[in-house]
Amino acid sequence: GQQVMQIPQYQHVQEGEDFTTYCNSSTTLSNIQWYKQRPGGHPVFLIQLVKSGEVKKQKRLTFQFGEAKKNSSLHITATQTTDVGTYFCAGDYGGATNKLIFGTGTLLAVQP
Amino acid sequence: NAGVTQTPKFRILKIGQSMTLQCTQDMNHNYMYWYRQDPGMGLKLIYYSVGAGITDKGEVPNGYNVSRSTTEDFPLRLELAAPSQTSVYFCASSYYTDTQYFGPGTRLTVL
Repeated sequence: GQQVMQIPQYQHVQEGEDFTTYCNSSTTLSNIQWYKQRPGGHPVFLIQLVKSGEVKKQKRLTFQFGEAKKNSSLHITATQTTDVGTYFCAGDYGGATNKLIFGTGTLLAVQP
Repeated sequence: NAGVTQTPKFRILKIGQSMTLQCTQDMNHNYMYWYRQDPGMGLKLIYYSVGAGITDKGEVPNGYNVSRSTTEDFPLRLELAAPSQTSVYFCASSYYTDTQYFGPGTRLTVL
């Protein structure tokens, strides 16, 4: 079945270091969405990538969608303590229902 | 706008009891979803709806039921609660195939 794998499960960084999380699907995606969940909170939408090879930036966050639309990455430059949380990718396989298959998430811990 | 609201925030059920988790959105979104999130895990889609009167199963529908009689409301019914249904339940909505807005969640424990 459709499955989205995400690595790493956990990453601990010193404040100011960079961070990257990777997402892979076994089959081609229609689009991919990224969400952030703070501890004890609910997922909050970050971005949606639709086009093959797409790259989008939000301040220190850079999102990429692979050429084959099977993988994606989120890179954070110079992490801050406010970046703490779990980052999820979520794959949409099409069909106009917006059904998302979530990855298991990457928990980011930032040490001041 | 309140966005997506969920009640209750917390609930403890005994095995075999039933309950309804309420979800309401005031953004006039067509699409609504129910997810469960087990500790340290991602979200699993239980049921979804693309409009009033239309519902369909997600990845993990067993033990749950839904209805969608209005655009605003999308209640989730648990029949015969089991310990395996202990989880955090999130409701979400979207206008179309884009941003999903999540509610604050309901933390359910079945003992």
